[in-house]
Parts: sequence; structure tokens; C-alpha cells
Amino acid sequence: GAVVSQHPSRVICKSGTSVKIECRSLDFQATTMFWYRQFPKQSLMLMATSNEGSKATYEQGVEKDKFLINHASLTLSTLTVTSAHPEDSSFYICSAKTGVDQPQHFGDGTRLSIL
Amino acid sequence: QQQVKQSPQSLIVQKGGISIINCAYENTAFDYFPWYQQFPGKGPALLIAIRPDVSEKKEGRFTISFNKSAKQFSLHIMDSQPGDSATYFCAASWRGTYKYIFGTGTRLKVLA
Repeated sequence: GAVVSQHPSRVICKSGTSVKIECRSLDFQATTMFWYRQFPKQSLMLMATSNEGSKATYEQGVEKDKFLINHASLTLSTLTVTSAHPEDSSFYICSAKTGVDQPQHFGDGTRLSIL
Repeated sequence: QQQVKQSPQSLIVQKGGISIINCAYENTAFDYFPWYQQFPGKGPALLIAIRPDVSEKKEGRFTISFNKSAKQFSLHIMDSQPGDSATYFCAASWRGTYKYIFGTGTRLKVLA
């Protein structure tokens, strides 16, 4: 149980394009999902908390106009990197909670490479 | 005060040995402490977690030891195997926010 699916697993695109990453909870409803960014050999950096039906809460220093988050249903959250540039290249990981006092379960991440 | 300090940064253990990873925190409001295992190119997977009302929790070869007064907790991997070679992250969370504060990670290598 508690499976989180993330798609795509890898994307390569040209500078200036926008990229959408999907995060789905496959066997549970997730009122809260999280988006992280991870640089090589570093820890996970929380970008934003996504609540179903409401605006995402962004961490300090994360550009909300750059990283658009939509949590339209209890099983799907999306992260759109708008007008991506090489410095946006990174490993993006989502997670979801099965309940209020439950652990976060992570997807397998998306490797984004901007040329 | 929101930091979780993790050590060591890297660890090499012989097969069959015990791997020990330590974490320390300052914020006494933290009330949930999970450990995650991450393989290259994959997302973190929950290993084991503990709350402050318990001093130790064991699941198979993995044990968390928790010292509330010292504000420290550690992961022990007994009978370490080459398949345990991965990066391990501790984390802390507090009621009401749902957010995790992650440690910096420990890269474990178990030699065959």
C-alpha cells in the first residue's frame, strides 16, 4: 500500500520550454502532497506543500511563478516548471501523506535536464 | 533550531557488521522521527519511524534508538548487507505542519 507514482521519470528539454511533472497517489487519497528538489549528493529541499483544492504553500526562496503547483484532486498534484533554464536542472521528488499523523511516501522522482 | 544534524556523512562497513547513523535536533516540538533509505535515481523509501514516547523501536534488522533528554536518535542496521548500500536520511516533524526537516544524509557502503 501507499504507492506514489511520479511521471515522467526523466525529461530533457530545451531552455525556455515549460515542463509538467505529475504526482499520483495510486492506492490512497492524499489531502497533502509535497514537492522536493534534490541536488546531487545532497539532501531533499522542500519546495512547497500542496493541499487539495487550495493554493500551494511555498517555502522561502522558491519562486511561485516559476514552479506552478496544482492539486486538483485527492490523487493528483502537478508541478510545472515554467520557462525552464539550465539552472532548473535537478531531481524533483514528490511525496504524499495517507493521513494527518502518517508518514510521507515518496515517488521515484523526475530527473529534469534543461539544455 | 529547525535543523537536524546527521553524522557521519559517509560510512563503510564490512558485511555482517553493524551500521550506526546518528541524528541530533534542537526543536523540542518535534514529535515524529522517520528514517528513509534512498538508492541512486530513486525516491526515498520509509524504513522505520519513532515517536518520543518510545526509547527504542525494532523492525527486522533496523532499530531506532531515541534519547529524548539528549535530543538525539540513531539508526542501527544489524548484520549489514551489500544490498543495504544506499543513502540514509533521518528526518523530524512536528504536529500540525506535516513538514519534514531532513538531515544531510549518510552514504553507506557495505563491503562484500
